Amino acid sequence: AQTVTQSQPEMSVQEAETVTLSCTYDTSESDYYLFWYKQPPSRQMILVIRQEAYKQQNATENRFSVNFQKAAKSFSLKISDSQLGDAAMYFCAYRSGEYTGTASKLTFGTGTRLQVTL
Amino acid sequence: SQTIHQWPATLVQPVGSPLSLECTVEGTSNPNLYWYRQAAGRGLQLLFYSVGIGQISSEVPQNLSASRPQDRQFILSSKKLLLSDSGFYLCAWSDFRNPYEQYFGPGTRLTVT
Repeated sequence: AQTVTQSQPEMSVQEAETVTLSCTYDTSESDYYLFWYKQPPSRQMILVIRQEAYKQQNATENRFSVNFQKAAKSFSLKISDSQLGDAAMYFCAYRSGEYTGTASKLTFGTGTRLQVTL
Repeated sequence: SQTIHQWPATLVQPVGSPLSLECTVEGTSNPNLYWYRQAAGRGLQLLFYSVGIGQISSEVPQNLSASRPQDRQFILSSKKLLLSDSGFYLCAWSDFRNPYEQYFGPGTRLTVT
């Protein structure tokens, strides 16, 4: 079974600075997808960024980028020019590349709470 | 554009009472639907998923059940709630043509007293 580990329960960053959230995962599959979701105080999960395992290029979405190290099974999220609105819980998630039955589920880490200070 | 709704937003129920949470998706057809539960301080755990009307798969055994009476409607139920059923319940959908991204609803906060 796949596992996702986020070892940083809380992180803090000053506004306009850069912060990196860590995520490691364990899998025996070669085809899979990795995601970062943001959960603000409203509790709704918002997809931030997606990375396909077969792609060597790291995904980027505006101020959000990832550092995907497939051999190390590491998938970190970098937030540049942090804003107050970035304050939230951030969850790393894994999904199998197969699309059959239980493979369609997302396996989540326990989350990292990001605080943004002035 | 697609939107996903959940209700109620919050619910307080006594132990042993029944439960019905509803999720509906607009703007798409034949979505894959999911129910997740988030316990305090934890990530999300998949409870049920559905690839079509009447097709429900359970991920973990529990006293909850799910049904999909219509294409874009997904219901989470229980006949008798337990204290351990308290949590935050999230419904999600994915496009059957692009099933690798899931989009979440606003969630329901359930407190069992």
